Amino acid sequence: GAVVSQHPSRVICKSGTSVKIECRSLDFQATTMFWYRQFPKQSLMLMATSNEGSKATYEQGVEKDKFLINHASLTLSTLTVTSAHPEDSSFYICSARDDRKTNYGYTFGSGTRLTVV
Amino acid sequence: TQLLEQSPQFLSIQEGENLTVYCNSSSVFSSLQWYRQEPGEGPVLLVTVVTGGEVKKLKRLTFQFGDARKDSSLHITAAQPGDTGLYLCAGAPVTSYGKLTFGQGTILTVHP
Repeated sequence: GAVVSQHPSRVICKSGTSVKIECRSLDFQATTMFWYRQFPKQSLMLMATSNEGSKATYEQGVEKDKFLINHASLTLSTLTVTSAHPEDSSFYICSARDDRKTNYGYTFGSGTRLTVV
Repeated sequence: TQLLEQSPQFLSIQEGENLTVYCNSSSVFSSLQWYRQEPGEGPVLLVTVVTGGEVKKLKRLTFQFGDARKDSSLHITAAQPGDTGLYLCAGAPVTSYGKLTFGQGTILTVHP
């Protein structure tokens, strides 16, 4: 089946530093990937839609300068949390949509637990 | 306003009981997915429903897609402690260009 690799799974960083999270589709091409944020015991909140070769589309209330998204190839999207602060601590999850199954081919990464100290 | 209203948000039952989780919307969806998520991991797809009125079964789990493709339900028969987890419905409205959004989630706890 389709596999999405998300790395790192856990990261601890100091306030003010930047952290990059990678999302890679291993056996399919994904022109579109999605980034979500999840707080404990809550659902996933869509942050942005990442489009290969063009700018990401951010949801209302998400700072695009804070959460930089780059989708440089059909299999890789990255999310960089810039100048991280403790309130950015969260579980970040990516999803890649298989180009051959645009209505239902969503596969999720295993998530990244970010802790900012 | 939540695009997908999922209920109940919390469910605590005894082993052997049946339960149903609902996912409702005023929007039409091209498909709806149900996921299960364990703590510290990403959501794992259980099923995708595509056709209005569709019913799919996965062992003790039965999934239904409403005739108008605006709602869905997940029914678990004879729940077991291993069913404990966070259940999520998600869908991409036909007007959303494939942007997948989630319901609030249902935290299910099955006690032995």
